[in-house]
Amino acid sequence: AQTVTQSQPEMSVQEAETVTLSCTYDTSENNYYLFWYKQPPSRQMILVIRQEAYKQQNATENRFSVNFQKAAKSFSLKISDSQLGDTAMYFCAFMNRASGTYKYIFGTGTRLKVLA
Amino acid sequence: SAVISQKPSRDICQRGTSLTIQCQVDSQVTMMFWYRQQPGQSLTLIATANQGSEATYESGFVIDKFPISRPNLTFSTLTVSNMSPEDSSIYLCSVAYPGNRYEQYFGPGTRLTVT
Repeated sequence: AQTVTQSQPEMSVQEAETVTLSCTYDTSENNYYLFWYKQPPSRQMILVIRQEAYKQQNATENRFSVNFQKAAKSFSLKISDSQLGDTAMYFCAFMNRASGTYKYIFGTGTRLKVLA
Repeated sequence: SAVISQKPSRDICQRGTSLTIQCQVDSQVTMMFWYRQQPGQSLTLIATANQGSEATYESGFVIDKFPISRPNLTFSTLTVSNMSPEDSSIYLCSVAYPGNRYEQYFGPGTRLTVT
């Protein structure tokens, strides 16, 4: 079975510092997609960044970047220059198209608090 | 991206009754999903509701309890039937675009409390 593991239930970081959130996954598939989602206290889930497994280059979106290690099945999120607005739950998610289905599997989340 | 609205945003219902949650998308989309989320916890997929086919339910969720309609490419409903306090949760709809690298977008959620 495909699983996504986020081993850090809670983290905190000082404003303007850098923080890395961990995510590992388990799959036997070779072609898949990985995502990080942010859910602020207001609840609406927002896509932060995505990575296609066939791409070796790590994705970046402004202050957000990933470290994708396919062989290790690791997909960590780095937030640089942390801002108070980054305070949220962060979910790592995995999707593949095996057997014609499209199922997104979410990790348990990491609650990030940015401290002033 | 997509703009997704859900109605109602929250409701308090008595056990034994049913509630229908509406999900409206501002663009046509094939792939739509319904999730359940306990506050502060992860998302649990209830079903996939692709237009033109019957909804596909995940283990632990059945059509009699969570009937879904998908009449067109911009709208879906999820009904929570014969509710019990265990159904108290946040219900989220989402859509995904294969043509946009399968990015998934979420509605604001419906907070349901069953008394």
